[in-house]
Order: sequence, then structure tokens, then C-alpha cells
Amino acid sequence: GQQVMQIPQYQHVQEGEDFTTYCNSSTTLSNIQWYKQRPGGHPVFLIQLVKSGEVKKQKRLTFQFGEAKKNSSLHITATQTTDVGTYFCGSRRALTFGSGTRLQVQP
Amino acid sequence: ETGVTQSPTHLIKTRGQQVTLRCSSQSGHNTVSWYQQALGQGPQFIFQYYREEENGRGNFPPRFSGLQFPNYSSELNVNALELDDSALYLCASSLQKSTDTQYFGPGTRLTVL
Repeated sequence: GQQVMQIPQYQHVQEGEDFTTYCNSSTTLSNIQWYKQRPGGHPVFLIQLVKSGEVKKQKRLTFQFGEAKKNSSLHITATQTTDVGTYFCGSRRALTFGSGTRLQVQP
Repeated sequence: ETGVTQSPTHLIKTRGQQVTLRCSSQSGHNTVSWYQQALGQGPQFIFQYYREEENGRGNFPPRFSGLQFPNYSSELNVNALELDDSALYLCASSLQKSTDTQYFGPGTRLTVL
């Protein structure tokens, strides 16, 4: 079946540093969604990418969908302590989520 | 808040028992999906209901079953609980079956002793 892998599993950064998490699929994805889950919370939808090569920005967050639609990335510029949490990518159509990247930000 | 509610918030059961978890969808959403999230892992898809019918199932045994009611609320039933069933159970509602945003509820934390 379809598998979605995320790297890294964990990242610890100093506040103000940048952060990137990568999502890779074994098969072509029709779309990719990104979610953020705060410690003790539930996943919250961030964005959906559909088109090959698509790039979307939300303030300090930049999301990319690969040309082959098999990978995606989330980049956070100048991290803040409010960015702490686990970031998941998922294929909505396949209802498959990656294992997530846990981000810790040191003030 | 997403408007998706789940009950109970926490539950403790013993091995072999049965459990029913409940989910109330966001108003107007006719699709609900259930996920199991073990500690430190991503959500694993259990099944999805669309207009009261199962519309896809993940790699979970038959002792995981569900229902969706005419008002689109939903139940997840787990029989013969095992220790490995201890997890956060999330439901997510959406407007369309496979293309729309999913709105997650707060989850039910199930502990099996």
C-alpha cells in the first residue's frame, strides 16, 4: 500500500533558526496535506497542495509539492516557540499520514 | 475550535472488554474518518463513513467496527480489547469524501490494562 515517510523524526532548533521537514511517498500523490499537532492536542489542518511543483506560503511557513508529486516539504523561517509541535504530512485521498516530525524550539 | 466533538475524553478498560467511542461531526459534514494514533506515531486510518455507509477501511481487524447515524455523528466500537489498542482515537469530519479538509476532534485517550 501507499507509504508516506517523513524526515527527520525530530529536530531541535534555537529560536530564530530555520526548520525544514520532508515528506516522501512511494507512489504519486494526488494531493498532500500538512497538519500541525501541538503536544497533547489534535492535528490541525495547515494547507493542501494539489498541483505539481506548487508552492504556497503562510507567513513564515513555505510549503512545496514536488514536480513528480511524490514528495513535499515544509520550511519554517525564523522559528518561534509557538512553532513547537509535530508536523504531519498526509495524502488525503489515500487517508495516509507520515509518522511526523517533532519540532522543539529552544528560546 | 473545529466543531468536532468526541466523547469520552479519557477511558480506561481492561483486556477483553469492549468499548464505544463517539464523535459528533462539524455541522454539514457528511463524511467522518476514524484514526488510531499511538504515542509518537502519525494517525493510522481505521475507516471512513460517508452518508451512513463504510467508504474505505485501513488495515485493522474486524473487531474494529463503526456506525454513522443520519445526523452524521459516528461511533467506533472495539471488541476484545488488547493492550496494543491503547492509543489516542481521533475522528475527523469533512464535507467531501476525499478531497476536502479534514477537521479533527480532540480525541479519546484509551488505555487498556
